[in-house]
Amino acid sequence: QQKVQQSPESLIVPEGGMASLNCTSSDRNVDYFWWYRQHSGKSPKMLMSIFSNGEKEEGRFTVHLNKASLHTSLHIRDSQPSDSALYLCAASIGGSGTYQRFGTGTKLQVVP
Amino acid sequence: GALVYQYPRRTICKSGTSMRMECQAVGFQATSVAWYRQSPQKTFELIALSTVNSAIKYEQNFTQEKFPISHPNLSFSSMTVLNAYLEDRGLYLCGARPGGQDTQYFGPGTRLLVL
Repeated sequence: QQKVQQSPESLIVPEGGMASLNCTSSDRNVDYFWWYRQHSGKSPKMLMSIFSNGEKEEGRFTVHLNKASLHTSLHIRDSQPSDSALYLCAASIGGSGTYQRFGTGTKLQVVP
Repeated sequence: GALVYQYPRRTICKSGTSMRMECQAVGFQATSVAWYRQSPQKTFELIALSTVNSAIKYEQNFTQEKFPISHPNLSFSSMTVLNAYLEDRGLYLCGARPGGQDTQYFGPGTRLLVL
């Protein structure tokens, strides 16, 4: 069964700093990755998805994907206290209408 | 905009009893609905995926006999936790996806406590 590993489990960064989160799938058939953010007591909200090799940027968030190693990373620059949340990575084989399997998440804390 | 509602938000049931939870998509047609459980240890497990015109697919550790799901139309899905025990505690989330889109919208979850 496909497994999605995230690291680190938790991360503390200073306000204004760069947060880097990692995610790897063990299933070589996976070709879609998603990043979600879940604030405490709330449901996950999708941040970004990626399925092509390379980089995708949206505002302060940048996602990288290396399909050969099935590794994706999320980078948050100029981190804000409001970015403190659980970040979940999901992977699937194919895009719409398919299973998304999630990692256990990285808990990010941005301290002033 | 796309919204997903879940009901109830929180429920307590006695060990061995059953509990039904609902998921409603508003503002879009949910051609697929996935049910997840987020455990007290924060692991995020996929229970099953229900896609219109296809059989419901359950993950390895979950069965229809334990978690029967109904997806009668493009805006509604329900799941029952039968014979709930302590290990079934957690936040049950439904993720609904509009047809042809990658985006999955999550409801706020139903938190299940088992006594």
